[in-house]
Amino acid sequence: TQLLEQSPQFLSIQEGENLTVYCNSSSVFSSLQWYRQEPGEGPVLLVTVVTGGEVKKLKRLTFQFGDARKDSSLHITAAQPGDTGLYLCAGGKRDNQGGKLIFGQGTELSVKP
Amino acid sequence: EPEVTQTPSHQVTQMGQEVILRCVPISNHLYFYWYRQILGQKVEFLVSFYNNEISEKSEIFDDQFSVERPDGSNFTLKIRSTKLEDSAMYFCASRVRNTEAFFGQGTRLTVV
Repeated sequence: TQLLEQSPQFLSIQEGENLTVYCNSSSVFSSLQWYRQEPGEGPVLLVTVVTGGEVKKLKRLTFQFGDARKDSSLHITAAQPGDTGLYLCAGGKRDNQGGKLIFGQGTELSVKP
Repeated sequence: EPEVTQTPSHQVTQMGQEVILRCVPISNHLYFYWYRQILGQKVEFLVSFYNNEISEKSEIFDDQFSVERPDGSNFTLKIRSTKLEDSAMYFCASRVRNTEAFFGQGTRLTVV
């Protein structure tokens, strides 16, 4: 069974602080995607990483894919209240059918002004 | 920007009734998925669909569930006889190939 473990599950911080969310697995993935989900809405794609060691930046968000493609991290610099939400990592495998995504359980982030 | 659209946004149904959840994937996408998310829990894979057939399904996707792509645009999930535990958000997703999956806004199914 492929599992993605996200940590922490809940994070409450003050505006301006930095934070890192981790996504770990014992399985190798061909790609790893990070989504953000608002209550009652669908996951919205933030980024996809595909190469081991890859780092991608999206404004104050930095995403990294582990060298062995088993883990990933999301770092947010100077968090703002608008960053509040549920962050999901999802791993995909390359196969002929397109491959399902395996989701982590999510990290609920609350940024207080 | 192209997007995955789902209807209805909220469906309330009596236990034992059949429901059909509808999705219009992004037009040039080839792979289609249904996921569900029970309140407060993780997003769970239900089924993937490619080339007009199911390519993979999870243990959740039992005989009560079926999917169909009746025409060139719609992708539907049918639950034959709903149970209370089927209450969840159901998300449709689509992708071109081994690329990002894009999700719809979801249908909230409430079984009473």
